[in-house]
Amino acid sequence: DMQMTQSPSSVSASVGDRVTITCRASQDIHTWLAWYQQKPGKAPKLLIYGASSLQSGVPSRFSGSGSGTDFTLTISSLQPEDFAIYYCQQANNFPFTFGPGTKVDIK
Amino acid sequence: QVHLQESGPGLVKSSETLSLTCSVSGGSISSYYWTWIRQPPGKGLEWIGYVYDSGVTNYNPALQSRVTISLDTSKKQFSLKLSSVTAADTAVYYCARLDVALDYWGQGTLVTVSS
Repeated sequence: DMQMTQSPSSVSASVGDRVTITCRASQDIHTWLAWYQQKPGKAPKLLIYGASSLQSGVPSRFSGSGSGTDFTLTISSLQPEDFAIYYCQQANNFPFTFGPGTKVDIK
Repeated sequence: QVHLQESGPGLVKSSETLSLTCSVSGGSISSYYWTWIRQPPGKGLEWIGYVYDSGVTNYNPALQSRVTISLDTSKKQFSLKLSSVTAADTAVYYCARLDVALDYWGQGTLVTVSS
């Protein structure tokens, strides 16, 4: 299976901070990468697809970049509702594996 | 607005078969991959498999010998069967629609495997 790693595993940040999360694939996945946000007790929510395309309705403070094996999710100015776990997921090779997640919590 | 809702038993005995159904409303069931994903308590997300509207399926090799996903287009439902369950299959099970990514999800249902 394709292996996905994320760093950091957790980050403590304040409202207004810029937060960057990195995702790395074990093989070239081109731009077949999505990012999801999950809050406690809720289903994941799609934020970014195709590595950099913003899902409809998602605030523009979220952005994604990268191609090949290295990808980044950036939250430009962290808001209170952004404290959550973020997962990357590759869709180039089946099974479409997820990264282990990055927890963003309050500093 | 597309809405997905999982249904099925919340408790399954070890060695038996877990069966869940996902009902789709508010959109077409055609031309999408209908997907099951699970999340053990406190852990990450695991892809189980999908069924396309043609009935074509694709399963996670780690579960392939035990998994069946099927689609009933007339009822706008798709189903998951996981046989010979153990405690390791205890998880929240989500159904989701796969387009370019997993854009619509059900709320999830916790299935506990008891001995």
